[in-house]
Amino acid sequence: GQQLNQSPQSMFIQEGEDVSMNCTSSSIFNTWLWYKQDPGEGPVLLIALYKAGELTSNGRLTAQFGITRKDSFLNISASIPSDVGIYFCAGQPSNYGGSQGNLIFGKGTKLSVKP
Amino acid sequence: DAMVIQNPRYQVTQFGKPVTLSCSQTLNHNVMYWYQQKSSQAPKLLFHYYDKDFNNEADTPDNFQSRRPNTSFCFLDIRSPGLGDAAMYLCATSSAGTGVSGQYFGPGTRLTVT
Repeated sequence: GQQLNQSPQSMFIQEGEDVSMNCTSSSIFNTWLWYKQDPGEGPVLLIALYKAGELTSNGRLTAQFGITRKDSFLNISASIPSDVGIYFCAGQPSNYGGSQGNLIFGKGTKLSVKP
Repeated sequence: DAMVIQNPRYQVTQFGKPVTLSCSQTLNHNVMYWYQQKSSQAPKLLFHYYDKDFNNEADTPDNFQSRRPNTSFCFLDIRSPGLGDAAMYLCATSSAGTGVSGQYFGPGTRLTVT
């Protein structure tokens, strides 16, 4: 089946450092989404990307939809302790026939920030 | 604020005792999803409703059922919970038909099976 390869699996960084994580696929995707999940909570949508090459920012977060439509990255600048959590990429592959928004999720990147 | 609400946040049930989890939304989205998420894993889609049309994932056990009595509410019924069904259950919604606008998740219900 369809798979998303998300890396790194985990990161331990110092407060103030920049962070970068990415997702890749062997299939073409129509949409890329980035979520953050805090312990015991549901994922929160951070950024949604709909066009190849699209670069979108949300505060200190920046994400891009790769030109090949097979990858996306998320950058976090000047990390702070509340950035701690698990970040998931998710996308809808282009060969999905429906318009019901079914998503494929990456396995997540666990971010730890040392004050 | 428009949102996705899940009740209860924590649910304890006994092995084999039916349990129902509920989800409501004020976003007026036409698609509602149920996911199962186990520790350190990505959410796994169980099924979804597109309006009133139910769509089951191929690998969702028969033990899991769902009901959507109206646009705002959706229920997850676990007929005979086993120890392996202990997990976080996430409800999500989206506005489909005009392309993927992103799925919006509720806070989840943590299910414990004793």
